[in-house]
Amino acid sequence: SQQGEEDPQALSIQEGENATMNCSYKTSINNLQWYRQNSGRGLVHLILIRSNEREKHSGRLRVTLDTSKKSSSLLITASRAADTASYFCATDNNQGGKLIFGQGTELSVKP
Amino acid sequence: GAGVSQTPSNKVTEKGKYVELRCDPISGHTALYWYRQSLGQGPEFLIYFQGTGAADDSGLPNDRFFAVRPEGSVSTLKIQRTERGDSAVYLCASSFNPGNTIYFGEGSWLTVV
Repeated sequence: SQQGEEDPQALSIQEGENATMNCSYKTSINNLQWYRQNSGRGLVHLILIRSNEREKHSGRLRVTLDTSKKSSSLLITASRAADTASYFCATDNNQGGKLIFGQGTELSVKP
Repeated sequence: GAGVSQTPSNKVTEKGKYVELRCDPISGHTALYWYRQSLGQGPEFLIYFQGTGAADDSGLPNDRFFAVRPEGSVSTLKIQRTERGDSAVYLCASSFNPGNTIYFGEGSWLTVV
């Protein structure tokens, strides 16, 4: 069963704009991880944020975590056509490190 | 190896046949995970190994699915009497320890015809 829900399911923006994707989950977590997946390829790890952290940055990526609202957001700044992919959030619910994934957000960045 | 390696990358098999999918995790990673992903969906957890033992196999859909990791490194996912509904991408992942970053392989695309 899926734990998280991503919002929106699909997002289309112009190159240079910012893209924001949201993730909500149901149970308490140890950490939350964001992944990217190009069509037909494996998952690429983007960033991990622990339950005691509120915000993390990595290059053009900014992730926030609000454990009181059980939600996270991924912001991609100054998007590029190469950012076009599906983005998934996944939660580690302290069950041996296994991740529970959401359905993903399909991002399309138009040049 | 540098990353998680999965073989075969593609497998087409006939309904009712037996299939083995292999995963070679990142060297030194103790935790190994198998997931299944259908088109348009997020990955679904199947089974997790810590060392040689299956620590959590709650995601295996039925007894046609089985996985082993006899020496604590390479793992094999085995599917008996395949059905068309088993068609999906089977993803393997590993992490140094539970709770750390989990790294995924490119997946094995299984098509049952």
